[in-house]
Amino acid sequence: GQNIDQPTEMTATEGAIVQINCTYQTSGFNGLFWYQQHAGEAPTFLSYNVLDGLEEKGRFSSFLSRSKGYSYLLLKELQMKDSASYLCAVRDSNYQLIWGAGTKLIIKP
Amino acid sequence: IAGITQAPTSQILAAGRRMTLRCTQDMRHNAMYWYRQDLGLGLRLIHYSNTAGTTGKGEVPDGYSVSRANTDDFPLTLASAVPSQTSVYFCASSDREETEAFFGQGTRLTVV
Repeated sequence: GQNIDQPTEMTATEGAIVQINCTYQTSGFNGLFWYQQHAGEAPTFLSYNVLDGLEEKGRFSSFLSRSKGYSYLLLKELQMKDSASYLCAVRDSNYQLIWGAGTKLIIKP
Repeated sequence: IAGITQAPTSQILAAGRRMTLRCTQDMRHNAMYWYRQDLGLGLRLIHYSNTAGTTGKGEVPDGYSVSRANTDDFPLTLASAVPSQTSVYFCASSDREETEAFFGQGTRLTVV
């Protein structure tokens, strides 16, 4: 079967750095996405990786290792507004998105 | 309209009733999707459409139907609602099936 694993919840301090991991087992691979979802709102796109390596976008970076079935989202200089759920999703061989359950990130002052 | 719009934003529905959730996008995206999101689970695909006039079944299609008569609209119908269909429903669209998806604001549906 297809599976996306991410930690259920993480806590970090304002101004710090946090890394959210995602491991996947899917039938084929056509890219990995990270989305942010604030409580009661829709998911919004953060990053996309299809090749191995690091993609940097401001305070957020995303890393991919296809051979390990592994990705992480790195958030730097954490702000209170970063408190949200972070969703990892993999596009499989049929170009369908398979979603993880999300990681709830709690930022403390 | 800017982006993707869903209606209603929330609804309480009696079991056995028929209900259509509406979704409209103005980005001229080819692909559209319906997901449900339940606590502790990832987004699960109900139905999708890669282009106007075509639809396909996702992971959890039972009890739901869709149509795609034109590019902009992708309604989701529950023929006879059951309590297990209580969920938050998200409509999404993407320019092509390989690009990122944009989401509507969601419909919170409670079946009692």
